[in-house]
Amino acid sequence: SAVISQKPSRDICQRGTSLTIQCQVDSQVTMMFWYRQQPGQSLTLIATANQGSEATYESGFVIDKFPISRPNLTFSTLTVSNMSPEDSSIYLCSVVTGEVSYNEQFFGPGTRLTVL
Amino acid sequence: QKEVEQNSGPLSVPEGAIASLNCTYSDRVSQSFFWYRQYSGKSPELIMSIYSNGDKEDGRFTAQLNKASQYVSLLIRDSQPSDSATYLCAVGGGKLIFGQGTELSVKP
Repeated sequence: SAVISQKPSRDICQRGTSLTIQCQVDSQVTMMFWYRQQPGQSLTLIATANQGSEATYESGFVIDKFPISRPNLTFSTLTVSNMSPEDSSIYLCSVVTGEVSYNEQFFGPGTRLTVL
Repeated sequence: QKEVEQNSGPLSVPEGAIASLNCTYSDRVSQSFFWYRQYSGKSPELIMSIYSNGDKEDGRFTAQLNKASQYVSLLIRDSQPSDSATYLCAVGGGKLIFGQGTELSVKP
């Protein structure tokens, strides 16, 4: 199975700043996603990262706040912009490595973000 | 609004018992159903996927799907303390929608 890494693993940031999270996979994948998991909560999909084009955002998430890039089939970034304490969460990337129809998603280790 | 519902627990079972975790979903056209295990401080780990009605067994885990009742369950046989974790049900036909998770505690 694919090895997924995320950088940074954790960070503490000041209000109003931005943080870019990287997701790197050791093999080409068909789909990549970004999720948020707030403290004590389940996972919420932020967006689908599309290779070479704009990401597809879910309701409640906008590009200005969470710009996403996916320049190739193994790498994506998520930026959390103009952060507030409400953005304190774990941010996870996930990938689909096999047939898209099976939709099996595998998660990276996550980035734990604390905004002061 | 597509929803996935799970009992939040905690569900406590003695070591060696069968743990039964349940999940219902609202979107009738869902095609893919998954169970993830998440240990505290870790990311979710895929443990079972099921796509058609009936049972699917993998070691001590059995997933059961009933599309007519919009119900999916996970049975863990011979539960071990190492099974103590939060179990997330996920449903989708492209994008995944996750339930809130059921916290399982297996007591020695």
